[in-house]
Amino acid sequence: QKEVEQDPGPLSVPEGAIVSLNCTYSNSAFQYFMWYRQYSRKGPELLMYTYSSGNKEDGRFTAQVDKSSKYISLFIRDSQPSDSATYLCAMSDYKLSFGAGTTVTVRA
Amino acid sequence: DAGVIQSPRHEVTEMGQEVTLRCKPISGHDYLFWYRQTMMRGLELLIYFNNNVPIDDSGMPEDRFSAKMPNASFSTLKIQPSEPRDSAVYFCASSTKLAGPQNEQFFGPGTRLTVL
Repeated sequence: QKEVEQDPGPLSVPEGAIVSLNCTYSNSAFQYFMWYRQYSRKGPELLMYTYSSGNKEDGRFTAQVDKSSKYISLFIRDSQPSDSATYLCAMSDYKLSFGAGTTVTVRA
Repeated sequence: DAGVIQSPRHEVTEMGQEVTLRCKPISGHDYLFWYRQTMMRGLELLIYFNNNVPIDDSGMPEDRFSAKMPNASFSTLKIQPSEPRDSAVYFCASSTKLAGPQNEQFFGPGTRLTVL
């Protein structure tokens, strides 16, 4: 079993929809949680990070962490075609472990 | 800063050939990471360095893979001999921290390797 599980999708939604992405993990030592965004043929780039249970908002993006359930989520409100990318969750104890990534397509 | 620089961007080679991938990390970053990304296995950490010293190479798949960091501004990942199953996108990343808040890793554009 992988330490970090993420449904690879793909996920296709119409413009303006809410996108919901999630990951589960098994390592209780993970303290820091991140979401990276990867556009086609590019390297991943950090989108959001958090290190406590609860919600964190940044514009149209909300990251949610539930340590008791070992579950993290990313919500994208009012999705735009420019949000089309692969989203990878990542978490760390002393090094980063990545999920497989979920490919999202937002249809205009 | 130009960010993490990788070369070549694309590499096509034949099975059995030696392949060398190159990386220049962001200046001032003490950590350098090599990852491999495939559809089947996602993004896998191969090895990471701290201050030019290899710290954890447990992700290196076999002895055919080797990595070096002769100085703070240059690292190589070598595959010898290459095999078709090595076909993947190889990313180099660098950061100022290994863990903790805001331990953002900055990724290069990747090298797309195809072994025929």
